[in-house]
Amino acid sequence: GAVVSQHPSRVICKSGTSVKIECRSLDFQATTMFWYRQFPKKSLMLMATSNEGSKATYEQGVEKDKFLINHASLTLSTLTVTSAHPEDSSFYICSARITGSTDTQYFGPGTRLTVL
Amino acid sequence: AQSVTQLDSHVSVSEGTPVLLRCNYSSSYSPSLFWYVQHPNKGLQLLLKYTSAATLVKGINGFEAEFKKSETSFHLTKPSAHMSDAAEYFCVVSDGLRGYQKVTFGIGTKLQVIP
Repeated sequence: GAVVSQHPSRVICKSGTSVKIECRSLDFQATTMFWYRQFPKKSLMLMATSNEGSKATYEQGVEKDKFLINHASLTLSTLTVTSAHPEDSSFYICSARITGSTDTQYFGPGTRLTVL
Repeated sequence: AQSVTQLDSHVSVSEGTPVLLRCNYSSSYSPSLFWYVQHPNKGLQLLLKYTSAATLVKGINGFEAEFKKSETSFHLTKPSAHMSDAAEYFCVVSDGLRGYQKVTFGIGTKLQVIP
């Protein structure tokens, strides 16, 4: 149980285009989902916390207009990287917390974004 | 405030020998602590977690960790390393008031297993 999927697993796009990444909790409801970014040989950096039905809470230094987050249902959150540039190339990982739970996050497999 | 310190960025062990990955934390609340493993180009997999129950926590793949409040440590151990254990390991602390919990990742420890 507690499986989280991400789609796509890999995406290559041209500079200036927008890319949408989906995060789904497959067998549980997740009121809260999280989006992380992982740089090469670095730890995960929390970008934002996504709550179903409300606006996401962004961490300091993360541009909310650049990284649009929509948590439209209890099983789906999306991250859209708008007007992507090469410096946005990274590994993006989402996680979901089971509704009613206070601690454990279940992570998706990640999405490798490469912006040419 | 919370923080996580993984004391070793790289650990190298021979196959069949014990593994010790160190983690120290600080927290203003009663924290939950986790260890995650990440294989190359893969997502994170939960190895084990501590949430104020037994201080010795057993996880998957033969790993375990002991929560020591007096030492603010949560070191990860395994009696005998396997080649498939080669990966990056992250220690994670989660604390805060219910519904407002903050999660902090350590920088990770890369485990190399030598045949």
